[in-house]
Amino acid sequence: GAVVSQHPSWVICKSGTSVKIECRSLDFQATTMFWYRQFPKQSLMLMATSNEGSKATYEQGVEKDKFLINHASLTLSTLTVTSAHPEDSSFYICSARDLASSYNEQFFGPGTRLTVL
Amino acid sequence: AQRVTQPEKLLSVFKGAPVELKCNYSYSGSPELFWYVQYSRQRLQLLLRHISRESIKGFTADLNKGETSFHLKKPFAQEEDSAMYYCALSGQGGNKLVFGAGTILRVKS
Repeated sequence: GAVVSQHPSWVICKSGTSVKIECRSLDFQATTMFWYRQFPKQSLMLMATSNEGSKATYEQGVEKDKFLINHASLTLSTLTVTSAHPEDSSFYICSARDLASSYNEQFFGPGTRLTVL
Repeated sequence: AQRVTQPEKLLSVFKGAPVELKCNYSYSGSPELFWYVQYSRQRLQLLLRHISRESIKGFTADLNKGETSFHLKKPFAQEEDSAMYYCALSGQGGNKLVFGAGTILRVKS
């Protein structure tokens, strides 16, 4: 149980285009999902907290107009990287909290490798 | 402010040797602490949560509030334990996890 999927697993795009990444909780409901960036051999950096039915909460220094988050249902959150540039190339990981769990643990997706040319 | 410190970037041990991955935290309330593991080319997965006081794959971790530590231990390391280990903290009533920088564990044969 508690499986989180991400799509796509990797994407290559041209500079200036937008890319959408989906995060789904497959066997549980998640009112809260999280989006992280991970640079090679580094820890996860929280970008934003995605709340079902309301606006996302962004961490300091993360541009909300650049990284659009939509959490339209209890099992789906999307991250759209708008007008992507090479510096946006990274590994993006989502996670989700199980609505039914009393713990604050998060279940992680496999990540999406974004390369912007 | 919430902070998690993992002082070692890399810990290299021989198979069968004891392992201790250090984690110290800074938080004024009562935290929830976790250890996550990331094996090569795999997703991050939960290894332990302090509330459960469990042993998973031979690993244990005890929350020491006096020393604000949550070190991960295993008496006899195995090669398949080689991975990146992250200590993480969640504050009271909070959703967010704050991660440490991670420690690479390499178990040599």
